[in-house]
Amino acid sequence: AQSVTQLGSHVSVSEGALVLLRCNYSSSVPPYLFWYVQYPNQGLQLLLKYTSAATLVKGINGFEAEFKKSETSFHLTKPSAHMSDAAEYFCAVSDGFQKLVFGTGTRLLVSP
Amino acid sequence: DAGVTQSPTHLIKTRGQQVTLRCSPKSGHDTVSWYQQALGQGPQFIFQYYEEEERQRGNFPDRFSGHQFPNYSSELNVNALLLGDSALYLCASSLQGQGGANVLTFGAGSRLTVL
Repeated sequence: AQSVTQLGSHVSVSEGALVLLRCNYSSSVPPYLFWYVQYPNQGLQLLLKYTSAATLVKGINGFEAEFKKSETSFHLTKPSAHMSDAAEYFCAVSDGFQKLVFGTGTRLLVSP
Repeated sequence: DAGVTQSPTHLIKTRGQQVTLRCSPKSGHDTVSWYQQALGQGPQFIFQYYEEEERQRGNFPDRFSGHQFPNYSSELNVNALLLGDSALYLCASSLQGQGGANVLTFGAGSRLTVL
């Protein structure tokens, strides 16, 4: 069965600093991996997805993630944080039939 | 182009009552999935509907049931509500045939509070 683990329930950065949100996955088959963002009182919005085409995936709002099979990781990064990036971020893995298994989420806090 | 719409946005029920939540998928999508997101947790898969049939089900009791209509819209029903059913219920739509790489489009959710 697929699963994901997000390290750190809260991450705090200063505006302009590097953002690094960690995600490790477990999958018995080549995984499809996703990062979603959730703003307060809103649903989930897709940031980016990995589908084996390229290991470095670029998403919206300047985010990107690198798939590392040897480390079973799919960490999310952004070179320079903006105040508007403050939100909850979820890593997810697909079972291959459009069912997503989500991590517990990481809340990103951005200070001025 | 309207995305996924859910109703109601908020509702309060008491233990033992029944609730129905509704979802209209994104235009062009034919598959609807429901997720439960408890406070401080990631979404948990409840079930998925395609061609008006339940195709997959997560680890939820039979108190949770659903339906998909010919226009692809869907309902989630929860009977005999428990305090632990308090959560944000998210509907997601997608297009079948895209496999695991397919992207789910989520609605804003229905927040259920059980007192």
